Amino acid sequence: DQQVKQNSPSLSVQEGRISILNCDYTNSMFDYFLWYKKYPAEGPTFLISISSIKDKNEDGRFTVFLNKSAKHLSLHIVPSQPGDSAVYFCAANPGNQFYFGTGTSLTVIP
Amino acid sequence: ETGVTQSPTHLIKTRGQQVTLRCSSQSGHNTVSWYQQALGQGPQFIFQYYREEENGRGNFPPRFSGLQFPNYSSELNVNALELDDSALYLCASSWTSQPDTQYFGPGTRLTVL
Repeated sequence: DQQVKQNSPSLSVQEGRISILNCDYTNSMFDYFLWYKKYPAEGPTFLISISSIKDKNEDGRFTVFLNKSAKHLSLHIVPSQPGDSAVYFCAANPGNQFYFGTGTSLTVIP
Repeated sequence: ETGVTQSPTHLIKTRGQQVTLRCSSQSGHNTVSWYQQALGQGPQFIFQYYREEENGRGNFPPRFSGLQFPNYSSELNVNALELDDSALYLCASSWTSQPDTQYFGPGTRLTVL
């Protein structure tokens, strides 16, 4: 059973606009979340994380928002750039386990 | 500083065979995790090793086993291969308790015929 879900398989955004990628989880005990970015033929690379004691974390153009009551997190990329085109995975990290979503393929159109 | 490397890149096996996949960790990292990524899916956590001991396991049967060596390189062994084992196998190294430091290798593509 999928404990972390990314319901949008793909997203297209114009360069310079905001990209919003969404992720839902089922277990309210999950307390740490990460976003990864994956280019073809490469392993995922860490992007940004958030602990459940926060509701927002920023790193440059990337911001992750966490809504614990809705068991929902989102990744905002502003402004979007063509180099951001990749597959994005959200993951939950309770203890020594990792649960990944199925990914959202982002295309940023120049 | 070297990255995470995996070998081989591709592998073809037949059902019932055994396979060993190898991973060389990022320099200085003491924890390694293995993942299975089926086509169109996200990585599924198999297990994690810390200082040569299994430190966490996902929902995979015992025929998936691993080893971590003193130099922190690692192996994933799969016995009695099944068709559903066809996937990309990723390893990732990190400092324990610091998931933000997890660096992934490029993966080994296993095909079971």
